[in-house]
Amino acid sequence: DVKVTQSSRYLVKRTGEKVFLECVQDMDHENMFWYRQDPGLGLRLIYFSYDVKMKEKGDIPEGYSVSREKKERFSLILESASTNQTSMYLCASSFGLAHTSDTQYFGPGTRLTVL
Amino acid sequence: AQSVTQPDIHITVSEGASLELRCNYSYGATPYLFWYVQSPGQGLQLLLKYFSGDTLVQGIKGFEAEFKRSQSSFNLRKPSVHWSDAAEYFCAVPNAGNNRKLIWGLGTSLAVNP
Repeated sequence: DVKVTQSSRYLVKRTGEKVFLECVQDMDHENMFWYRQDPGLGLRLIYFSYDVKMKEKGDIPEGYSVSREKKERFSLILESASTNQTSMYLCASSFGLAHTSDTQYFGPGTRLTVL
Repeated sequence: AQSVTQPDIHITVSEGASLELRCNYSYGATPYLFWYVQSPGQGLQLLLKYFSGDTLVQGIKGFEAEFKRSQSSFNLRKPSVHWSDAAEYFCAVPNAGNNRKLIWGLGTSLAVNP
């Protein structure tokens, strides 16, 4: 089975802190994604990566950056955390077939609270 | 703009009753279609997907969905709901501009009465 793990289930940070959320997948997937999930707003894509060191902005990239130095690991960085970034963060990966859409596999999520 | 609509924000059913969750989409061609489930406090799990062929798709946990091209719909059904089915359900379709990405509905929250 595909396994996507996220470094923390719960995280509490202070406003202005730099926050790192880590995601690791064990199936050699090409694509990796970071979403945030808020009540009533569904899943919103922050960034995704389709190869090592390659990234694309999603729908809400402001205030976030990402890093993908190794194929299995995709990090989300909050450069200076703010209270409006309090949310559930979900990481996903997919195989990466060309010109097609593939199943995304999700991690358990990180619930981040910024005080 | 491309969209996925789940008209029902919240549904409550009794245990043992049948269930239908609605999903409508806009897409230029025959799309791939996905249904995911999210149990409380968890990530999303794929229930089923439609890529091509038979328009009635069987998934895990006794769920099925039917693709109806004429109605641009992909409704999820289960004949007899169990208490453990209480969860959030999401429908998704590929982004036509970049099909590595998915466009998501806002979800339907299902509550099950004993």
